[in-house]
Amino acid sequence: DTGVSQDPRHKITKRGQNVTFRCDPISEHNRLYWYRQTLGQGPEFLTYFQNEAQLEKSRLLSNRFSAERPKGSFSTLEIQRTEQGDSAMYLCASSPRGTSGGKAHEQYFGPGTRLTVT
Amino acid sequence: GQQVMQIPQYQHVQEGEDFTTYCNSSTTLSNIQWYKQRPGGHPVFLIQLVKSGEVKKQKRLTFQFGEAKKNSSLHITATQTTDVGTYFCADDFGNEKLTFGTGTRLTIIP
Repeated sequence: DTGVSQDPRHKITKRGQNVTFRCDPISEHNRLYWYRQTLGQGPEFLTYFQNEAQLEKSRLLSNRFSAERPKGSFSTLEIQRTEQGDSAMYLCASSPRGTSGGKAHEQYFGPGTRLTVT
Repeated sequence: GQQVMQIPQYQHVQEGEDFTTYCNSSTTLSNIQWYKQRPGGHPVFLIQLVKSGEVKKQKRLTFQFGEAKKNSSLHITATQTTDVGTYFCADDFGNEKLTFGTGTRLTIIP
């Protein structure tokens, strides 16, 4: 399977614990995005990478969240001192290349990691 | 901030009936993309529209981009049970990341 993969698929953690999620994009894609999705809502942008460079972080992303893509391939998203409000589906997506004429290209989503904070 | 609104939020249709979802923005849209998310699944890319007034078709699906680039629509003719899911529009507003709409959840009554 050459699609976007995410691990783990489900994570239950206690409030205050740290969690880390991994995303493996489609191999030739140099753009990687992280989104958060809560029930009944559309995906909400968190951050994105062009190769290993983190180009933008959402203002909604508190300093408890950090993301890395050290070699321009897989990416990790860490949440420190989790709170109940962090419970959501965390989606990763990759895109084949940067913008063309200022237009974002289609994104390919992974299955997501569902986080439950108790 | 830039927002994308979709209506209706929910739509229940008899199998075989048509379905339309609308995407609106107070800010000029740049590059509308449509995604489908099946229940329990992840968003899957359907189409991209960039030109004012553009119309694209995929079998029973017709996508339109408004002349003023403030709205877009997705129309499904003769719905089937496989069309069940939530349909999202998304735009990059020229800044290289997507802002998703609120989605329209389609259910089919057999």
